[in-house]
Amino acid sequence: KQEVTQIPAALSVPEGENLVLNCSFTDSAIYNLQWFRQDPGKGLTSLLLIQSSQREQTSGRLNASLDKSSGRSTLYIAASQPGDSATYLCAVRPVSGGYNKLIFGAGTRLAVHP
Amino acid sequence: SQTIHQWPATLVQPVGSPLSLECTVEGTSNPNLYWYRQAAGRGLQLLFYSVGIGQISSEVPQNLSASRPQDRQFILSSKKLLLSDSGFYLCAWSAASNTEAFFGQGTRLTVV
Repeated sequence: KQEVTQIPAALSVPEGENLVLNCSFTDSAIYNLQWFRQDPGKGLTSLLLIQSSQREQTSGRLNASLDKSSGRSTLYIAASQPGDSATYLCAVRPVSGGYNKLIFGAGTRLAVHP
Repeated sequence: SQTIHQWPATLVQPVGSPLSLECTVEGTSNPNLYWYRQAAGRGLQLLFYSVGIGQISSEVPQNLSASRPQDRQFILSSKKLLLSDSGFYLCAWSAASNTEAFFGQGTRLTVV
């Protein structure tokens, strides 16, 4: 059974820091991994999608890497800003057990203070 | 461009009352559609998904049902709500089973 874990559960940093959010999954047989951002009381905003054949994806100050064999992904946020404060979720789409579903981690709650 | 709409944004319903949450997608055809629930302090749980009109798959047994009467419309229903049905319900779509997923803004349901 695929399980997704995100560490740390919460993170508080001063503005301007570079930071890394971690995501690990137990079964390396995945189609892709997706990172989302969720603001309080809101839906999920897709940040980056990494296909299983890819090693990383970049969008602006965000860079996500994928090491499928070790079951790990990291989301790197450069020069953090208060507007980056949100909960960040990673999700994998497994090959087996129903590829229509996304399996989510519990998220990392990020606070960037001025 | 594609957009996804969910309504209502918030809902307070008494125990035993019926429920209907609606989700529509614009700008795409034959999307895969999903209903997720996010309970307080817990991760997102897939409730239902649909790969086409009238095709519904349920992930967990529960007090809820889903229907897809039109290609881009997905409805979450209940005949009689329970307190445990309270939560944040999210609709999502993807172009195919293994492509990027996009979420709506969610419905906060409180059963009292």
